[in-house]
Amino acid sequence: GNSVTQMEGPVTLSEEAFLTINCTYTATGYPSLFWYVQYPGEGLQLLLKATKADDKGSNKGFEATYRKETTSFHLEKGSVQVSDSAVYFCALHSGGFQKLVFGTGTRLLVSP
Amino acid sequence: DTAVSQTPKYLVTQMGNDKSIKCEQNLGHDTMYWYKQDSKKFLKIMFSYNNKELIINETVPNRFSPKSPDKAHLNLHINSLELGDSAVYFCASSQNGQGTEAFFGQGTRLTVV
Repeated sequence: GNSVTQMEGPVTLSEEAFLTINCTYTATGYPSLFWYVQYPGEGLQLLLKATKADDKGSNKGFEATYRKETTSFHLEKGSVQVSDSAVYFCALHSGGFQKLVFGTGTRLLVSP
Repeated sequence: DTAVSQTPKYLVTQMGNDKSIKCEQNLGHDTMYWYKQDSKKFLKIMFSYNNKELIINETVPNRFSPKSPDKAHLNLHINSLELGDSAVYFCASSQNGQGTEAFFGQGTRLTVV
């Protein structure tokens, strides 16, 4: 079945540090890939997405590239801010009326 | 103008009670979902409806019964609540359930005591 594996957290960084959160997936066919962010006490918000191989999704300084050869969709940001502290979820959707499959989430803590 | 709204935001109730959580979306989407998030933040889908029809029904106890009176609403009724039902429940919607992103509500934190 489809699955998403994320690095375990928490990831603790100082402000302006470089961020990478790893995500790999297993899926049949050609899934769409997503990163969602959950700020404390809130619901999930779509951060970025990519729908086919080699696509790069980007938003708010975050980027992720759909790598079919390594089945990965790692999230990166060049310079994190305290306000980026949240839980980040990698997810995939394999088309049709399938469910959106989430990874376990990675908590990011950014200190001043 | 909230896109996906669910009520209540917090729900504290005793074991054995029956409770409902309501969800409405004003995005014109065809597909709606219920997810359960446990204390470790793990998200698990429970149900999915497309145009009022049940599409996905994961292995959820039959004490949980979703109801979709129209495609803009998907309510969740829970009978005989148990301590293990304590979690945050998220409603979500997507345009057609086929690879498009999902929009989430703010969540309902259910605490069973």
